[in-house]
Amino acid sequence: AQSVTQLDSQVPVFEEAPVELRCNYSSSVSVYLFWYVQYPNQGLQLLLKYLSGSTLVKSINGFEAEFNKSQTSFHLRKPSVHISDTAEYFCAVSDLNSGYALNFGKGTSLLVTP
Amino acid sequence: DTEVTQTPKHLVMGMTNKKSLKCEQHMGHRAMYWYKQKAKKPPELMFVYSYEKLSINESVPSRFSPECPNSSLLNLHLHALQPEDSALYLCASSQQNSNQPQHFGDGTRLSIL
Repeated sequence: AQSVTQLDSQVPVFEEAPVELRCNYSSSVSVYLFWYVQYPNQGLQLLLKYLSGSTLVKSINGFEAEFNKSQTSFHLRKPSVHISDTAEYFCAVSDLNSGYALNFGKGTSLLVTP
Repeated sequence: DTEVTQTPKHLVMGMTNKKSLKCEQHMGHRAMYWYKQKAKKPPELMFVYSYEKLSINESVPSRFSPECPNSSLLNLHLHALQPEDSALYLCASSQQNSNQPQHFGDGTRLSIL
């Protein structure tokens, strides 16, 4: 069975500071990894995905994540955050054995303050 | 703007009512999903439809009844719900039941009186 661990439930950070949201997973087979962001009163928006190929994936709004197979991690980073990045961030994993259903971590609440 | 549309956005119902949640996508996706999300928690998978057939039911109580009339529509019929069923219900779709990412709607916020 697979599992996802987001080590930080809340991450407060000042505007323009760098941030890293941690995600670790466990699975016995090849996995597919995703970061989703959820703003208040909205659904989930796909931020990044790792399916195969380059282990470093980037979004259009400055976030990036690196798949590290040896450390079973997929941490999310941004070099300089904005107030508008305040949201809930979910790491998710899927694999063939689970029928590709998404298994979410508990989420990390990112709070950016001036 | 989300490409997965859910209606209604909010729903308040009594425990004896019957109501339905609707989800629609026009991206040609052949897999559709229902999730339940409680406050401050991650989404929990309820059902998966693949090519209009139910492929996964995560032991959901029978008071929730999914339906997939065609490849673009997904319904969730509700009957005799309990107060603990109050939550945000999210619909998602993906190209097929594969490793491709799921696209989510904004959800229906359901309150059971």
